[in-house]
Amino acid sequence: NAGVTQTPKFQVLKTGQSMTLQCAQDMNHEYMSWYRQDPGMGLRLIHYSVGAGITDQGEVPNGYNVSRSTTEDFPLRLLSAAPSQTSVYFCASSTGPISNQPQHFGDGTRLSIL
Amino acid sequence: GQNIDQPTEMTATEGAIVQINCTYQTSGFNGLFWYQQHAGEAPTFLSYNVLDGLEEKGRFSSFLSRSKGYSYLLLKELQMKDSASYLCAVKPGRGSTLGRLYFGRGTQLTVWP
Repeated sequence: NAGVTQTPKFQVLKTGQSMTLQCAQDMNHEYMSWYRQDPGMGLRLIHYSVGAGITDQGEVPNGYNVSRSTTEDFPLRLLSAAPSQTSVYFCASSTGPISNQPQHFGDGTRLSIL
Repeated sequence: GQNIDQPTEMTATEGAIVQINCTYQTSGFNGLFWYQQHAGEAPTFLSYNVLDGLEEKGRFSSFLSRSKGYSYLLLKELQMKDSASYLCAVKPGRGSTLGRLYFGRGTQLTVWP
């Protein structure tokens, strides 16, 4: 009963380093998305995907890349980490873009950039 | 752009009733979701409204008026464990925003004994 799995749960990086946040879901969901959550800012959409091979930008895409080679996986890459990217990152999935089914969230990755 | 507003903070006492409001202005409308998020945890789904009216789920109810761009979440018989942030999210459902979910900043509810 895994649902949406995010790894790692915590990470500390130095400015300029790169890394990949992993997200996997086992519910055969078409729609996957990445959000960042900062104090007082709510959840902001970084990138999303409506199916394998299709990705698009959200509200705050700069500094992040994504790919969707399989239905299950949707990794988020930080190209050159900056302190402004210190945040909690959530991956979510749902059955489809026009579905009334809710998005299911992973437990989050808490990322600190020094 | 999409605009979703909800109060930043609310407080209430155990056993009471609290109403958390959400107003929205979006390009099209394809549903409104309420999520609960405890500190340090992921958001979890509470309710969904796409038609006008009230949806009831145990102690929680959610109301929608599409003509007014307004929703509320009603929590009855409050318990200490209801202390959490409540997130209003709207799915605009038109053009390039199809499928995307836009979140308000969340309402932090504190329940006192």
